[in-house]
Amino acid sequence: LAKTTQPISMDSYEGQEVNITCSHNNIATNDYITWYQQFPSQGPRFIIQGYKTKVTNEVASLFIPADRKSSTLSLPRVSLSDTAVYYCLVGETGSARQLTFGSGTQLTVLP
Amino acid sequence: GAVVSQHPSWVICKSGTSVKIECRSLDFQATTMFWYRQFPKQSLMLMATSNEGSKATYEQGVEKDKFLINHASLTLSTLTVTSAHPEDSSFYICSARDPLVTGTNGYTFGSGTRLTVV
Repeated sequence: LAKTTQPISMDSYEGQEVNITCSHNNIATNDYITWYQQFPSQGPRFIIQGYKTKVTNEVASLFIPADRKSSTLSLPRVSLSDTAVYYCLVGETGSARQLTFGSGTQLTVLP
Repeated sequence: GAVVSQHPSWVICKSGTSVKIECRSLDFQATTMFWYRQFPKQSLMLMATSNEGSKATYEQGVEKDKFLINHASLTLSTLTVTSAHPEDSSFYICSARDPLVTGTNGYTFGSGTRLTVV
C-alpha cells in the first residue's frame, strides 16, 4: 500500500476554508484516495474518495492533480465541530486489503 | 449507509481476566473484518485481519494467543483479549468491508471499544 505523508497538525478559525494536503508519491494505478475523519474515542468516519481531478460532496472537496502524487482535502467554512484528526489513505479497489493509517492531521478549529 | 456495530463501547477489567469485543456488520455481509488498536494521540495500528470461516492473519508483533479472533459468520467477528494486563489498555476498533462497494469507501468502522485493565 502506498505510504502517505500529511502535516501533523493545523489550526484554523471558524468560517475559514481549510485545505489539508497529503503526499502519496508511490500511488499505484488501481489505488483510490480516501479521507477519513476521527473524533476522540470514536472510529474513523468516511469523508470522501476520489481517483483523479476533483470530487465534491456535501461536506468536502477533494482535489487530485494529474500525476496523483498528492491530494488536497478542502473543508469549506469549518466550524468548531470539525476539530478532529483527518487521515489520508490510498488503497486498491476491489481488494479485501486492510487500510493502513498514517499519522493523520490534527485539525483544531478555534473560535 | 453501511453500519458496523461494536460492543461494548467501554470495559474495565481486572488484570489477568479475559475480555471479548464484538463487531457486527448490520446491513451487509463482511467476509473480511479488521481489528485495529489505537493508543492515545497515535494513529490506528492494524492488529489482524479476520476472515470468515478461516484463521485470522496477524500483523507482526501481535500475539496470536493473546488476541484471539473468531469470525464464525459473515456478520460477526470477535476479539478476545486473554489474560489482560494494564499494557493492553487501549482503544480497539474494528472495520468491515462491504464487498459490493468499490474502492476504499467500502470500509466501515465500528465506534470502538475503550479497554482499561486495572
